[in-house]
Amino acid sequence: DVKVTQSSRYLVKRTGEKVFLECVQDMDHENMFWYRQDPGLGLRLIYFSYDVKMKEKGDIPEGYSVSREKKERFSLILESASTNQTSMYLCASSSPTSGPTDTQYFGPGTRLTVL
Amino acid sequence: SQQGEEDPQALSIQEGENATMNCSYKTSINNLQWYRQNSGRGLVHLILIRSNEREKHSGRLRVTLDTSKKSSSLLITASRAADTASYFCATRRSGGYQKVTFGIGTKLQVIP
Repeated sequence: DVKVTQSSRYLVKRTGEKVFLECVQDMDHENMFWYRQDPGLGLRLIYFSYDVKMKEKGDIPEGYSVSREKKERFSLILESASTNQTSMYLCASSSPTSGPTDTQYFGPGTRLTVL
Repeated sequence: SQQGEEDPQALSIQEGENATMNCSYKTSINNLQWYRQNSGRGLVHLILIRSNEREKHSGRLRVTLDTSKKSSSLLITASRAADTASYFCATRRSGGYQKVTFGIGTKLQVIP
């Protein structure tokens, strides 16, 4: 079974802190994604990556950056956390060889609170 | 508004009843997927239907796709308390567009 893990389930940070959210998948998937989920807004794509060292902006990249130095790991970075970044963050991975094209496998999520 | 919009936003039914959720979208798609999310957890893929398919089944799930109306429905038959979750549709636009866009979701409550 595909397993996607995220470094923390709950995280509390202060405004202005630099925050790292880590995501690791164990199925050699090429594609990895970061979403944030807010009530009434659904899932919104922040960044995605098709390969090591490759990244593409999603729909709401402002205030975030990402890093993919190894195939299995995709990190989301909040350079200077702000209260409007309080949200649930979901990581996902996919590969056309592991099932129907575009099926995404999600981690359990990190609920980030910025005070 | 979003590419995928689910309707209703919330649904409450008794155990054993059928639950129907709808998804509408705006642009031509390559495929449409349905996911389930239990409270506070990540999403789990349920079923994918391609643009040239009209209906698909998986266990107690039945998905239909009407590309002329740009809509899809998810039917869960003989619902169980364990089906209580939020359900999202996700669309991949046609024309080489790579991103998958998720809707806002339908929150289903199955009362034992």
